[in-house]
Amino acid sequence: NAGVTQTPKFRVLKTGQSMTLLCAQDMNHEYMYWYRQDPGMGLRLIHYSVGEGTTAKGEVPDGYNVSRLKKQNFLLGLESAAPSQTSVYFCASRPWNTEAFFGQGTRLTVV
Amino acid sequence: AQKITQTQPGMFVQEKEAVTLDCTYDTSDPSYGLFWYKQPSSGEMIFLIYQGSYDQQNATEGRYSLNFQKARKSANLVISASQLGDSAMYFCAMREGPPGGGNKLTFGTGTQLKVEL
Repeated sequence: NAGVTQTPKFRVLKTGQSMTLLCAQDMNHEYMYWYRQDPGMGLRLIHYSVGEGTTAKGEVPDGYNVSRLKKQNFLLGLESAAPSQTSVYFCASRPWNTEAFFGQGTRLTVV
Repeated sequence: AQKITQTQPGMFVQEKEAVTLDCTYDTSDPSYGLFWYKQPSSGEMIFLIYQGSYDQQNATEGRYSLNFQKARKSANLVISASQLGDSAMYFCAMREGPPGGGNKLTFGTGTQLKVEL
């Protein structure tokens, strides 16, 4: 049972490049989340999904897009990366009645 | 307004002593859940303890207990008999709405705990 898996674990992008972060969970969870973690700011919610085919904006959605075409996958896209998007990105999933389970994080650097 | 407030950026505690990490929250929803997570230096997020808004008793999990004071909107984490391995960042989080309907999970800014010999 792999839990929540994020791909890739590390990435360096040039300003203006695009990329997609993949989050995959094998626990049949309904809810999935993307957060970014920056020093002193905790985890801030970017986008989330309450089920297959649904997405919603969190606290800091600008510059990101998401899709959840399959229940087990939640994709986070950066269309035109900016240095301000340098961060550690966490994906999480949870069933309806318990805690969220987190992936191991993706460290993204935009130069 | 901040939904989750953790006012202690850093805390120190002696090994084997107890420590309380503060968390206050803000919601008008009568149904909500409160969580604590631990993030060691390796970076993973580890779930510690959960408290539902309608739970009558404070949650406990081993050396972790949650001091839930609903009227004060506080959900402090108490770690008893601290160990060196407890040194980590600790996050308080809140789900607003009932378990099946609460969607967002909001985190505080965290408290860095260091356990000293």
